[in-house]
Amino acid sequence: DAGVTQTPRHEVAEKGQTIILKCEPVSGHNDLFWYRQTKIQGLELLSYFRSKSLMEDGGAFKDRFKAEMLNSSFSTLKIQPTEPKDSAVYLCASSLTGGNTEVFFGKGTRLTVV
Amino acid sequence: GDSVTQTEGLVTLTKGLPVMLNCTYQTTYSPFLFWYVQHLNEAPKLLLKSSTDNKRTEHQGFYATLHKSSSSFHLQKSSVQLSDSALYFCALSDPANSGTYQRFGTGTKLQVVP
Repeated sequence: DAGVTQTPRHEVAEKGQTIILKCEPVSGHNDLFWYRQTKIQGLELLSYFRSKSLMEDGGAFKDRFKAEMLNSSFSTLKIQPTEPKDSAVYLCASSLTGGNTEVFFGKGTRLTVV
Repeated sequence: GDSVTQTEGLVTLTKGLPVMLNCTYQTTYSPFLFWYVQHLNEAPKLLLKSSTDNKRTEHQGFYATLHKSSSSFHLQKSSVQLSDSALYFCALSDPANSGTYQRFGTGTKLQVVP
């Protein structure tokens, strides 16, 4: 199954720690997204890459969240330093370029900050 | 800017009853609309999509009709099953603009009880 792969599935961090979440998109996809999922806010866009170039990063998340795409098949999301309010599920997704294409999601990383 | 509104956070229904999950949108262009479904601890995945006005689209017993006159794309099913319990997201994109990406609503949790 060549879907979107996220690791780890679960992460527990102490307040102030640095954590790095990893994502492997579907092979051949040009667009990659990082979302934060919470019950209250739903899916919040953290970062959007096209062909490895950062196209958009969620303004509210700029200060402690940094996504990178080192190559077309691997991306990381660093949170530094973590805070308890960062506890959420982080989803990575990818798609072909185009406004009518399906977005493929990973199963997410559940982050708990204590 | 573009936006998607899902008014219900939680819908609880008895098995066998019909369901309609609301989705309305705001945009200046002729959109593509999507419904994604996310089962517990799983990745969101595409359920159905449409860009054709007043045409019903169906998949896995669910159906939706895009009504541009009312800016709506409500998801329906005639008889819900326990396995339909999940989180449902409505999304919007501009099919003519390859530089954009899908905008998601906050999601509606459907809970089907025996």
